[in-house]
Amino acid sequence: DGGITQSPKYLFRKEGQNVTLSCEQNLNHDAMYWYRQDPGQGLRLIYYSQIVNDFQKGDIAEGYSVSREKKESFPLTVTSAQKNPTAFYLCASSVQGADTEAFFGQGTRLTVV
Amino acid sequence: AQTVTQSQPEMSVQEAETVTLSCTYDTSESNYYLFWYKQPPSRQMILVIRQEAYKQQNATENRFSVNFQKAAKSFSLKISDSQLGDTAMYFCAFRGPYNTDKLIFGTGTRLQVFP
Repeated sequence: DGGITQSPKYLFRKEGQNVTLSCEQNLNHDAMYWYRQDPGQGLRLIYYSQIVNDFQKGDIAEGYSVSREKKESFPLTVTSAQKNPTAFYLCASSVQGADTEAFFGQGTRLTVV
Repeated sequence: AQTVTQSQPEMSVQEAETVTLSCTYDTSESNYYLFWYKQPPSRQMILVIRQEAYKQQNATENRFSVNFQKAAKSFSLKISDSQLGDTAMYFCAFRGPYNTDKLIFGTGTRLQVFP
């Protein structure tokens, strides 16, 4: 079945460590996105990519990094520079076009311990 | 910069009743796209309905319909005949007219449907 897969579902990290969240899609979508969801703040855009080997910062990119080496994959690294990384992270993808639906993964809950 | 505002953090409705969720936005664009997404307790985001600003007719998807008021920059979602499965967070979202435009979300409204 076509879809977008995030892994792992739950992730625990010690302070000072980098951690990478996986996002894979087999929908042949060009565009991919990473959002952070916190209670009362909705979804905030971290990074997005419209094409392979290219990506742009969103509204809260500090402390995060991404790569887009393959069309299907858009991993997000939460670095030790991110001051408050505990959150729910959502990955999404869409075809090109402003009117198109974004398809979301099931999310990764990251907790810093 | 475009912004999306959902002023109702929480709402509740009894099963089979109708409820309306509010959304306002700010933009200087003349054409754009508006969306309502649902996030049930499973946290899987699902598109409920979309509206193009150039289309005057309000979008409808079964029990879900919108009241799109372009001049007022308002985009409310009406859920008719509410069902227990409608219990979820609902997010209003905006995207400008260009392919490179970002999808911008509001802060969400938590809807609880009571039996």
